[in-house]
Amino acid sequence: GEDVEQSLFLSVREGDSSVINCTYTDSSSTYLYWYKQEPGAGLQLLTYIFSNMDMKQDQRLTVLLNKKDKHLSLRIADTQTGDSAIYFCAESPSPFDNYGQNFVFGPGTRLSVLP
Amino acid sequence: DTAVSQTPKYLVTQMGNDKSIKCEQNLGHDTMYWYKQDSKKFLKIMFSYNNKELIINETVPNRFSPKSPDKAHLNLHINSLELGDSAVYFCASSQDWTRVDSQNIQYFGAGTRLSVL
Repeated sequence: GEDVEQSLFLSVREGDSSVINCTYTDSSSTYLYWYKQEPGAGLQLLTYIFSNMDMKQDQRLTVLLNKKDKHLSLRIADTQTGDSAIYFCAESPSPFDNYGQNFVFGPGTRLSVLP
Repeated sequence: DTAVSQTPKYLVTQMGNDKSIKCEQNLGHDTMYWYKQDSKKFLKIMFSYNNKELIINETVPNRFSPKSPDKAHLNLHINSLELGDSAVYFCASSQDWTRVDSQNIQYFGAGTRLSVL
């Protein structure tokens, strides 16, 4: 079945860039997502990328997709203490190829931003 | 206005009890979902409904029964609660799960933290 992997922990200093990596196994993934979960809060969609794109930039966030290696990364520029959270990578197969399949989430990367 | 709202936010109960978690979305979406997030923060899909019809039913104990009275609501009823049911349960919705575009983006509620004693 589909699998999504992420490293569990990342620590950076305030002002530095953070890079969170994710690998997935399903080659039919159509959408790849990054969600942010702050302590005690729900999941907030940060950004998503369609599988025919290589890169997407949105303010401080840059998403890179290497479809050949099934590797997705999220770069946060000028990381702030407010960015401390758990970041989930998720993928969604094409609904037309996998009837009944849906989102598969990674285990989440805990980002700690040190002052 | 909250797009996807779950109630209650916290639920503490004893083993063996029956409880329900409610979810409502005001986004006009057709598809709703329930996820379970365990203590290690892993997220697993449990159920999905599209226009009140069940479309995803993962390997979940029969004690869990979803109910969708209309497409804006998807409630989760749990019978005979067990210690292992303690988790955060997230509800989500998307416009149309069959679409291969932004209509498939899922929006999540704030989660319901269930503690079974």
